[in-house]
Formats: sequence, structure tokens, C-alpha cells
Amino acid sequence: AQSVSQHNHHVILSEAASLELGCNYSYGGTVNLFWYVQYPGQHLQLLLKYFSGDPLVKGIKGFEAEFIKSKFSFNLRKPSVQWSDTAEYFCAVNAWEAAGNKLTFGGGTRVLVKP
Amino acid sequence: ETGVTQTPRHLVMGMTNKKSLKCEQHLGHNAMYWYKQSAKKPLELMFVYNFKEQTENNSVPSRFSPECPNSSHLFLHLHTLQPEDSALYLCASSQDRQDRGNTEAFFGQGTRLTVV
Repeated sequence: AQSVSQHNHHVILSEAASLELGCNYSYGGTVNLFWYVQYPGQHLQLLLKYFSGDPLVKGIKGFEAEFIKSKFSFNLRKPSVQWSDTAEYFCAVNAWEAAGNKLTFGGGTRVLVKP
Repeated sequence: ETGVTQTPRHLVMGMTNKKSLKCEQHLGHNAMYWYKQSAKKPLELMFVYNFKEQTENNSVPSRFSPECPNSSHLFLHLHTLQPEDSALYLCASSQDRQDRGNTEAFFGQGTRLTVV
């Protein structure tokens, strides 16, 4: 079974600081990888996704993520955060060869950016 | 606006009530999902429908009963729920491709359910 773990439950940082959120998954086969964000009171929306090709993926709002297959990781980064990045961030994995279209989420990381 | 609409947005129900949650997607997707989002717990996948066929039932109690009459509509029928079932219920849809799995899921705004 596929599982996803996010190492930090809460992150607090100041504006202009750099952000890195960890994500590890357990499945060893082919995976599709996603980062979703949920701003306060809003729906989950996609930040970026990886299917194949360049392991460094760029998403919206200056976010990027790097897929390291050997480490089963897909960490999210942003060089300089803004107050508007305050949200909850979810990593998700679709191990589609084994689990069909089932999308498994990590526990989420709440990020608070202080102005 | 994500193309996935859920109604109602908020629902308060007693433990003996019967209610239904509705989800509609306008994206032409072939797969739809119900997720449960509780405080301090990961998003839990409840049900998956692919081409209107239920392909996943993640050990969900029978007091939750899904229905997918067509590829655009998904319901979650609720009956004799418990207070611990109070949560945000999210519907999502995606285009499932046989050769590369789930492209990405689009989520609705959710129904905030409170069981009293």
C-alpha cells in the first residue's frame, strides 16, 4: 500500500525566509506526485505535479519541488515566502500501476508566515 | 471556482437523521472521489468511482453510502451518523488515464458536517 509522510506539522517563519517542506512516500514503483495547497477557508488547489521528465518541477506562485527517486522524496521549496503563503500544504501520491487512480495524501503541514 | 460544486456547504444533522451530500463536476472527468478531512488527521479517501463504477471502498462504515448515477454526479447518503463523523467532506474529480493514472484531482469546497 502506498503511504505518504510529511515531516513537519507546523512551520512558522517570517516573510522573505526560505521554505522547504519534506515529503516521503513508501511505494517503489512508478508514481505521480503532487503538492496541493489549502488557503484558509478555501478549497484544495494544485500547486504543482510530477509525472515524468525533469525531476525539478516548477509550479504556481514561485513554488518548486524536486523528485529524488532514490530517496522516495518530493520536497517542496520556495526561496522567499510572503504573508499570503500562509496555508496548509499537502503532498499526494498516485502509485497508479498498483493502486489505479487512488490519490493518497500526507498529513499536511500548516505554514504560518509572519509579516 | 474549480468546476466541482458541492452542496450543501454546511450541514447539521442529528444522529437519527438521513441526509445526502451532493457533488457535481463540470470538467468532463471520468473519476470522482469522496474524501473526509478531520482535524489533526490526514485526508482520508472514502470512495472512488471510475466510469460510474465504484472501484474503491476504503473500509468505510455502512452508514455512509455513495451513489454515482452518471459521470458528472456523485452523492454521499448519510444515515445514523455518530458525532465522530463530524468533518469536512470533500468531493474531487479527475481524468483517469489508463496509461498514466490520475492526472490531477480538482476539489470542491467541501461540506462541513456536524453531527449532534
